[in-house]
Amino acid sequence: GAGVSQSPSNKVTEKGKDVELRCDPISGHTALYWYRQSLGQGLEFLIYFQGNSAPDKSGLPSDRFSAERTGGSVSTLTIQRTQQEDSAVYLCASSLNSGGLNEQFFGPGTRLTVL
Amino acid sequence: AQSVTQPDIHITVSEGASLELRCNYSYGATPYLFWYVQSPGQGLQLLLKYFSGDTLVQGIKGFEAEFKRSQSSFNLRKPSVHWSDAAEYFCAVGPNYNTDKLIFGTGTRLQVFP
Repeated sequence: GAGVSQSPSNKVTEKGKDVELRCDPISGHTALYWYRQSLGQGLEFLIYFQGNSAPDKSGLPSDRFSAERTGGSVSTLTIQRTQQEDSAVYLCASSLNSGGLNEQFFGPGTRLTVL
Repeated sequence: AQSVTQPDIHITVSEGASLELRCNYSYGATPYLFWYVQSPGQGLQLLLKYFSGDTLVQGIKGFEAEFKRSQSSFNLRKPSVHWSDAAEYFCAVGPNYNTDKLIFGTGTRLQVFP
């Protein structure tokens, strides 16, 4: 079956522009996560959605970052007024349910480059 | 606070040699522990996970890991490395009862020479 998909695969933008990154989770998965992978930094949690509950936004680095999940499926991560330090690979993951026993399946990521 | 340390940034081994990748964690309770692999241009793939029970866990692609509570470690091992194992490996801890986020280490890049 289809895995987690993300678009675009690559995005180059100019400093100060807004960008939107899209994630399509595995069908039927109720939990959706966004992580950021910066060079030499490992993966950093950004935000987590579970069903209709309020999202866990504790990892968002600034108020320029926001995310939404429409209809409990597709999610969009928006970065406003991009900065060079936002350059990274943004990874989306989904799991069947929340909780540690549920494996998170990762998408291929969106590589964002801010010039 | 939860944290994961992977002390080796880069490891090089010869094909057929054994491999051990180190992972140490800091966690206030019994952790859930994971190893993921990221091949070039690919997403992360789960190799194995530990939740409870037997401290030696088997994963895919011939990998295994051992949970040692006394050492706060969860090292990944493989008895004989193949060239296709060249990739980046991430250790992670969590989720726990109050958050579903995974805390990742900074990764270990494995290079395999023929």
